[in-house]
Amino acid sequence: AQSVTQLGSHVSVSEGALVLLRCNYSSSVPPYLFWYVQYPNQGLQLLLKYTSAATLVKGINGFEAEFKKSETSFHLTKPSAHMSDAAEYFCAVSEQGGSEKLVFGKGTKLTVNP
Amino acid sequence: SQTIHQWPATLVQPVGSPLSLECTVEGTSNPNLYWYRQAAGRGLQLLFYSVGIGQISSEVPQNLSASRPQDRQFILSSKKLLLSDSGFYLCAWSVLRGEQYFGPGTRLTVT
Repeated sequence: AQSVTQLGSHVSVSEGALVLLRCNYSSSVPPYLFWYVQYPNQGLQLLLKYTSAATLVKGINGFEAEFKKSETSFHLTKPSAHMSDAAEYFCAVSEQGGSEKLVFGKGTKLTVNP
Repeated sequence: SQTIHQWPATLVQPVGSPLSLECTVEGTSNPNLYWYRQAAGRGLQLLFYSVGIGQISSEVPQNLSASRPQDRQFILSSKKLLLSDSGFYLCAWSVLRGEQYFGPGTRLTVT
């Protein structure tokens, strides 16, 4: 069975500081990995995805994530936080060639302080 | 381009009343469709998914049911709402394995 662990349910950074949101996954087969962002009272928006091509994946809004198989990690980063990045972020995993379902982490709420 | 609609956006219903939430997708054919619920502080819970008309898989036994009467329409229903049914309901679609796209959601409050 697959699972996703997001370390830290709340992360707070200052505007202009590095954003690092952690995600570790468990999968018995090669995974697809995703990061989604959710603004208050809105649906989830796909930020970026890893589908077995380049291990460093660039997404929208200046975010990127690196797939590290040895560490079973897919951490999300952004060099300089902006106030508009304040939202909840979800990491998700699915099986390559397998289920149509995604398994989501519990989410990390990002606060950006002025 | 593809779009996904959900309605209503917000709903306040008394305990014991019925429920019908609708989701429609435009711009794609034969999508997989999903219903999720977000309860406060509990992350995303997959309720149902469908890979085709009339094909519904239930993930969690509960007070809800789903139907897919048309290719791009997905309906979430209940005959009698419980307080615990309150939450934010999200519909999503996909045509590629894994990559899902979400609707704007319905905020349901059961009083």
